[in-house]
Parts: sequence; structure tokens; C-alpha cells
Amino acid sequence: GAVVSQHPSRVICKSGTSVKIECRSLDFQATTMFWYRQFPKQSLMLMATSNEGSKATYEQGVEKDKFLINHASLTLSTLTVTSAHPEDSSFYICSGGAGDETQYFGPGTRLLVL
Amino acid sequence: GNSVTQMEGPVTLSEEAFLTINCTYTATGYPSLFWYVQYPGEGLQLLLKATKADDKGSNKGFEATYRKETTSFHLEKGSVQVSDSAVYFCALSGVSYGSRLTFGEGTQLTVNP
Repeated sequence: GAVVSQHPSRVICKSGTSVKIECRSLDFQATTMFWYRQFPKQSLMLMATSNEGSKATYEQGVEKDKFLINHASLTLSTLTVTSAHPEDSSFYICSGGAGDETQYFGPGTRLLVL
Repeated sequence: GNSVTQMEGPVTLSEEAFLTINCTYTATGYPSLFWYVQYPGEGLQLLLKATKADDKGSNKGFEATYRKETTSFHLEKGSVQVSDSAVYFCALSGVSYGSRLTFGEGTQLTVNP
């Protein structure tokens, strides 16, 4: 099946710093990628839809200036958490489509902001 | 709008027991339906899918049938193993590429030896 990678798998940072998370589709091209946030024991919350070569579409309540998304190529999308605070600590997961309606998910990135 | 409702968990079973996790949905048109599985500390893996009514998705002993008349996509397995312990998510999407997924709440399954 289609493979999606994320890097880093976990990151610890100090409050006020910025963190970049990369999402790559390894064996397919993804015109559209999605970014999710997951709190412990909860379902996934869609943050934004990332389209290659255009601005991301953010869900209601998600601060676009805080969560910067760039989809520079058909195989790479990045999420930058700017000026991170402890409440941004979470599990971030990306997904991409391989040509049909199915989404393939990355392994997730665990962010801890101290 | 679209929505997915899963049976509440957690579900605890003994090894070799029969598993059913109920999933019902509300959607316009003819969505595609999915079951994803999430093991601890990992992302989601596609378990199975069905794209039209009466389709049966199957993988690793798990099955689910797309029932349009009851708007359901229940997940079943005849004999669970300890290694099946995970969180299972039911989801639906539109039929076109790039359609967003709507997830259920997730059901935690624990299988004891």
C-alpha cells in the first residue's frame, strides 16, 4: 500500500520556539494532504487541508498563523507550529491520497512543549 | 452534514472470542466507508474499505459489509488475537479524490490471553 512518513517522530521543545513537522508520501504523489491533531483517547481532529501549490484550507477554530502549512511539492507537506506553548502538546498526524478516496496516514509526531 | 457513530468502548474480550464493533453513518450521496486501526503510539493504518452498497471489505480476518438500507458498516472478526488490541476507527468520505474523512469516536479493543 501507499506509504507516508513523518519526521520527526517525537520532539520536545521549549515554550516560544517553533517546530516543523514534515510529511512525505514515499511511493505516490499526493495533490492533497491533510493534517490532524489527536488528543489522548480521542478521535482525530482535522486541522487543515493542504493542496500542492496553493494555500491550505483551515478548519474553523484553527489558527492559520500559528499552524503554518506548506505543500511545496506533490510528495512533501510541512506543518510548522509557531511560538509553541504547552497547550500545543499533542499527537500530530498527516495523511495523503494516492489517487482515489482512500487516505493513507503517517505514523504521527508527538510534540511536547515544556 | 456527514457523521459517523461507533459503539462505545472500551471493549474487552478473551482470545478467540467473536468481535463486533458497530458503526452507523449519516451522509448525503454514496460515501465510501473505511475501518482504520491505530496501535499504541502509532498513526492510523487502513484495515479495510468498501466503496459501494453491499460491498464487503476484508483483511486479516476482519470483515465489514456496506449496508445502505441500515446505513451501517459493522466490523467483525470471528476469532480475535491479543495482537488485535488497538483502537478502531470507522470513517466515511466522499467518492472523489481529496475528499475529507469523517471519523467516528474510535473504539478501544483489548484482547486478553
